[in-house]
Amino acid sequence: DIVMTQTPLSSPVTLGQPASISCRSSQSLVHSDGNTYLSWLQQRPGQPPRLLIYKISNRFSGVPDRFSGSGAGTDFTLKISRVEAEDVGVYYCMQATQFPWTFGQGTKVEIK
Amino acid sequence: EVQVLESGGGLVQPGGSLRLSCAASGFTFSSYGMNWVRQAPGQGLEWVSSVSGSGSNTYYADSVKGRFTISRDNSKNTLYLQMNSLRAEDAAIYYCTKGGSSGRMGYFDYWGQGTLVSVSS
Repeated sequence: DIVMTQTPLSSPVTLGQPASISCRSSQSLVHSDGNTYLSWLQQRPGQPPRLLIYKISNRFSGVPDRFSGSGAGTDFTLKISRVEAEDVGVYYCMQATQFPWTFGQGTKVEIK
Repeated sequence: EVQVLESGGGLVQPGGSLRLSCAASGFTFSSYGMNWVRQAPGQGLEWVSSVSGSGSNTYYADSVKGRFTISRDNSKNTLYLQMNSLRAEDAAIYYCTKGGSSGRMGYFDYWGQGTLVSVSS
């Protein structure tokens, strides 16, 4: 199984300041079709997860442009350019390149 | 508007069975793979099972293989998860998710609100 490791597990951030979450996979996420199926999800308190970014860097419909994704191979990053109060929650990376599809442990973003 | 709505959760004894349903709307159901993902209380996310748009291909996590069966009825726009031989460790919120493209499912673009499954005697 591909293991997804996120760092940090907790990220206290000042409003208006940037935040960054790293996700590392135990093996390359490049699929034989040439795509890299790495996505990022946000789970606000008491809510189901919501898709933010898919295939490394594509923002999903309605996602603010302060969210961006980057990376390649086994190393990926989610950045929030200026954290807002509504960004509080847990963020997960997920790989869907190889079954079983797996998630990172989650990173809790909170306001200082 | 795309919507997926789970139902069927509840309290069941260890060894018992439960069938979850997910009613989908707002998209051409048969064109997209569908999935179940679960989240134990206070824990992270775990992929459980996936099914292709036609229903002909199914995939399972090792933790549920042989006990759970995913299926779909494209005439009713509904996804199912038959859960047998339930264990305490199956207790979780079960989310129905839509595959992100009509080709290969590479991400989950829509999630339901979830349905809670509790396993206890």
